[in-house]
Amino acid sequence: EDKVVQSPLSLVVHEGDTVTLNCSYEVTNFRSLLWYKQEKKAPTFLFMLTSSGIEKKSGRLSSILDKKELFSILNITATQTGDSAIYLCVGAGGTSYGKLTFGQGTILTVHP
Amino acid sequence: TAGITQAPTSQILAAGRSMTLRCTQDMRHNAMYWYRQDLGLGLRLIHYSNTAGTTGKGEVPDGYSVSRANTDDFPLTLASAVPSQTSVYFCASSDSAGTYNSPLHFGNGTRLTVT
Repeated sequence: EDKVVQSPLSLVVHEGDTVTLNCSYEVTNFRSLLWYKQEKKAPTFLFMLTSSGIEKKSGRLSSILDKKELFSILNITATQTGDSAIYLCVGAGGTSYGKLTFGQGTILTVHP
Repeated sequence: TAGITQAPTSQILAAGRSMTLRCTQDMRHNAMYWYRQDLGLGLRLIHYSNTAGTTGKGEVPDGYSVSRANTDDFPLTLASAVPSQTSVYFCASSDSAGTYNSPLHFGNGTRLTVT
């Protein structure tokens, strides 16, 4: 059975700190790994990673995939209170409907 | 603003009653999905549709049905609600059925409480 495990499950930091969120996966016919940010309502897309070792970057957020170790990390530097959210890691497998396996999420709280 | 609209935003439903959660997208995406999100379990796929006229079962389809009469609409029906269906329901769409090359766009969710 496909599985995506995130750690830690929750994290509390202060503004300016750097955080690293972890995601390990076991996905049949793995195609890509995605990161989403969920605030109050809908998850919003952050990154899609398909190749090992190539960092994707968007402002203070960056992510990288290790397809050998079946692992991804999401880094957030100089955290702000607006970064407080649930961060979801998702493994995409190549089936007829592109089966997605969601991790439990990491709840990040950034205090002023 | 283009996107996915879900209705209602929240609902309290008596056990045994039926209900349809509505979902409409205006992005002309082929694929649409229904997920439920429960604490500690993440998002789980209920049903999906690769294109108008076709539907398929996800991980947790029991007690739910869907239809896809056209590209834009993908309603989710609970025929006879039970308390275990209390959850937050998200509708999502993607440009292609193989979501490994196009990310999902989510609606804002429907919070359903079955009493």
